[in-house]
Amino acid sequence: GQNIDQPTEMTATEGAIVQINCTYQTSGFNGLFWYQQHAGEAPTFLSYNVLDGLEEKGRFSSFLSRSKGYSYLLLKELQMKDSASYLCAAMDSNYQLIWGAGTKLIIKP
Amino acid sequence: GAVVSQHPSRVICKSGTSVKIECRSLDFQATTMFWYRQFPKQSLMLMATSNEGSKATYEQGVEKDKFLINHASLTLSTLTVTSAHPEDSSFYICSARGGAGETQYFGPGTRLLVL
Repeated sequence: GQNIDQPTEMTATEGAIVQINCTYQTSGFNGLFWYQQHAGEAPTFLSYNVLDGLEEKGRFSSFLSRSKGYSYLLLKELQMKDSASYLCAAMDSNYQLIWGAGTKLIIKP
Repeated sequence: GAVVSQHPSRVICKSGTSVKIECRSLDFQATTMFWYRQFPKQSLMLMATSNEGSKATYEQGVEKDKFLINHASLTLSTLTVTSAHPEDSSFYICSARGGAGETQYFGPGTRLLVL
């Protein structure tokens, strides 16, 4: 079957670094997405990885290892506004999205 | 865990025809369902929110007569794209909120290509 696993909840301190992991099993693979979702709002696109390696975009970086079926989202210099749910989604060979349940990130001062 | 399905997964249609997309919550009752449109590598754009048995609430700029939403039961919502045009070609994603903790679960998406 196809599935995505990511932690349900994480807590971090303002100014610190946090890494949110995501493992996936899909029928074929056409890339992995990370979205940020604040309560009551639509998911905001953060990153898309289809090749192995790290992609950095400001305070956010995303890493992919296709051989391990593993990705992580790295958030640096955490700010209170980063408190949100972070969704991992893998695209399978039919270009369908397989969604993780989301990781709720709580930032403490 | 909770699963949300969409049917069809992809559809190709001629300009001027109507297309219906179904969204089902498979193992929980969805009090609220959302319809999004996704453009490549962009954020999901919320089109409308629907609650079972009541009219959908459309976001600004979304034509309610073009994108008909029916939330007929606690497990089924449909989006009908009426008189589809090539610019309606997109990836449509539904999500359902319900179950313990009122968590929001996303569907796999439907690819629509209008020729």
